[in-house]
Amino acid sequence: GIQVEQSPPDLILQEGANSTLRCNFSDSVNNLQWFHQNPWGQLINLFYIPSGTKQNGRLSATTVATERYSLLYISSSQTTDSGVYFCAGNTGTASKLTFGTGTRLQVTL
Amino acid sequence: DAGVIQSPRHEVTEMGQEVTLRCKPISGHDYLFWYRQTMMRGLELLIYFNNNVPIDDSGMPEDRFSAKMPNASFSTLKIQPSEPRDSAVYFCASSLSRGRIGELFFGEGSRLTVL
Repeated sequence: GIQVEQSPPDLILQEGANSTLRCNFSDSVNNLQWFHQNPWGQLINLFYIPSGTKQNGRLSATTVATERYSLLYISSSQTTDSGVYFCAGNTGTASKLTFGTGTRLQVTL
Repeated sequence: DAGVIQSPRHEVTEMGQEVTLRCKPISGHDYLFWYRQTMMRGLELLIYFNNNVPIDDSGMPEDRFSAKMPNASFSTLKIQPSEPRDSAVYFCASSLSRGRIGELFFGEGSRLTVL
């Protein structure tokens, strides 16, 4: 299966700062999703983004499938953005998503 | 619409006991996934179903683990007998395919502690 690498592993931001999280894949993906796990453990789907760019409020994501990476942008971060961000993807006709190890984000006042 | 519903939210049991985790996917979704999350191994896919049929159970760690999906609105993950190393958060997720798997929606998880 594919390998999924996320960077940075940990990130501390002051409220209001911007950040970029990266996800690299070992192979070209045809399905890529970003998730946020909040401090209570809930996993929330942020983006379904096999290619191109999408925006949702202060968050946006870009996937370049042929170059095997995706980026998640967080602008004007808030303390509620804290948690772990996961990307996940698959290749070919596989239906199972492989998850990265996550980026742990802490937003401080 | 209700999201993915899992029960129980927390389970504490003793080694050797049988554990059954339950999941109700989002109505109309045709894929159901069982994941396990631990600090050491992260999020691991255990098994997934498409239209109630198990497609890939290669992630099921041992024969002690079994999963069923008797109908489109219910699935179970059973561990018998349970062991302390099974302690983890077990997530169920569902998805609606779009020719390929669509957005994955997770339940709140079942936190299992085996003493």
